[in-house]
Amino acid sequence: DGGITQSPKYLFRKEGQNVTLSCEQNLNHDAMYWYRQDPGQGLRLIYYSQIVNDFQKGDIAEGYSVSREKKESFPLTVTSAQKNPTAFYLCASSMGPSNTEAFFGQGTRLTVV
Amino acid sequence: KQEVTQIPAALSVPEGENLVLNCSFTDSAIYNLQWFRQDPGKGLTSLLLIQSSQREQTSGRLNASLDKSSGRSTLYIAASQPGDSATYLCAATLTFGSGTQLTVLP
Repeated sequence: DGGITQSPKYLFRKEGQNVTLSCEQNLNHDAMYWYRQDPGQGLRLIYYSQIVNDFQKGDIAEGYSVSREKKESFPLTVTSAQKNPTAFYLCASSMGPSNTEAFFGQGTRLTVV
Repeated sequence: KQEVTQIPAALSVPEGENLVLNCSFTDSAIYNLQWFRQDPGKGLTSLLLIQSSQREQTSGRLNASLDKSSGRSTLYIAASQPGDSATYLCAATLTFGSGTQLTVLP
């Protein structure tokens, strides 16, 4: 089955720790995205990548980091610098930048304890 | 900066009713307008994609329209069913609104 896989589904982090969220796609898409969703709100863009070894900051990149070493993978690290990391994180991919249909994974719910 | 607004934030209708969800955006220079469905605690499922050069798209009981000049898109759902209950989000070139939570009552 082609699609986007996010893991883990639930993640708990102690304050001051870094955590990495996984996103893998087998759709052969060039572009990948990370969004954050807070309760009752829409999605806000954290980072996006249009091609391997290249990525750009979105609207709320502070406290987050990404890498794009492989076309299939776009991991997101939530660092200790992120002041309010508890949220639902969604990864997406599309064939090309912006003008093609985007597909989403099932999300990772991160809770700081 | 693009801003996307969805009104109403929540909507409750009886089963079988036809309904319209609204989406407005401030910058008409968009590549596309995409409608998604989100069930509680889940990811987003793509429903319809309208390219900037198109006026509407249809899939089954769903019809989405796009009017770039007025900065508006609508999602029309015909003969609503309880299984349509979900949050519906629109995105103008991947800038999202906050969604409309739809409840279809049996």
